Amino acid sequence: NAGVTQTPKFQVLKTGQSMTLQCAQDMNHNSMYWYRQDPGMGLRLIYYSASEGTTDKGEVPNGYNVSRLNKREFSLRLESAAPSQTSVYFCASSDTGASGNTIYFGEGSWLTVV
Amino acid sequence: AQSVTQLDSHVSVSEGTPVLLRCNYSSSYSPSLFWYVQHPNKGLQLLLKYTSAATLVKGINGFEAEFKKSETSFHLTKPSAHMSDAAEYFCVSPLKGAGSYQLTFGKGTKLSVIP
Repeated sequence: NAGVTQTPKFQVLKTGQSMTLQCAQDMNHNSMYWYRQDPGMGLRLIYYSASEGTTDKGEVPNGYNVSRLNKREFSLRLESAAPSQTSVYFCASSDTGASGNTIYFGEGSWLTVV
Repeated sequence: AQSVTQLDSHVSVSEGTPVLLRCNYSSSYSPSLFWYVQHPNKGLQLLLKYTSAATLVKGINGFEAEFKKSETSFHLTKPSAHMSDAAEYFCVSPLKGAGSYQLTFGKGTKLSVIP
């Protein structure tokens, strides 16, 4: 039972390079999310997708783009990486996005931009 | 807008002693509230959630939390700490967005358990 799967787990980028973080869930969830985690900041929402075909900005969307490829997959792209984007990235999913629904997280992707 | 405040950034307890991790929320309505746990270099796992049913919520691994509207609190407790409880804990509330709810995270409380 895989749940939420993210790739890659670790990545080092040079400033200005681009990359895409991939995320897939096998729970048939409608809503998917990308968060970043920085020390002492908790998790902050980058983008979310309430359902297939829709995406919306979260708290910290600048420098990122997303694609909801289908119901299972939600990718996060850094077009021109900056050192400020060094962080741990978490993909997550939930059923309908209702307030009481559990959100399930992937294991995280550690990104370093040098 | 609803938000959560975790009152301690770091809590240290001895193995076998009680654990108390404090969380206050601010809201004009009865919220849903969650506690998540994150072990080192791992993703987040749901410990328990409150969704306007019973005010005392029992979770996994012996943790529980009590929703107190009069105190706007949702503190996490465990009677006896185990070494495996050492982790970071997040108090979380849903925030209504366009077509969905997103989670608003507290800044986290790192729990250390001393042998």
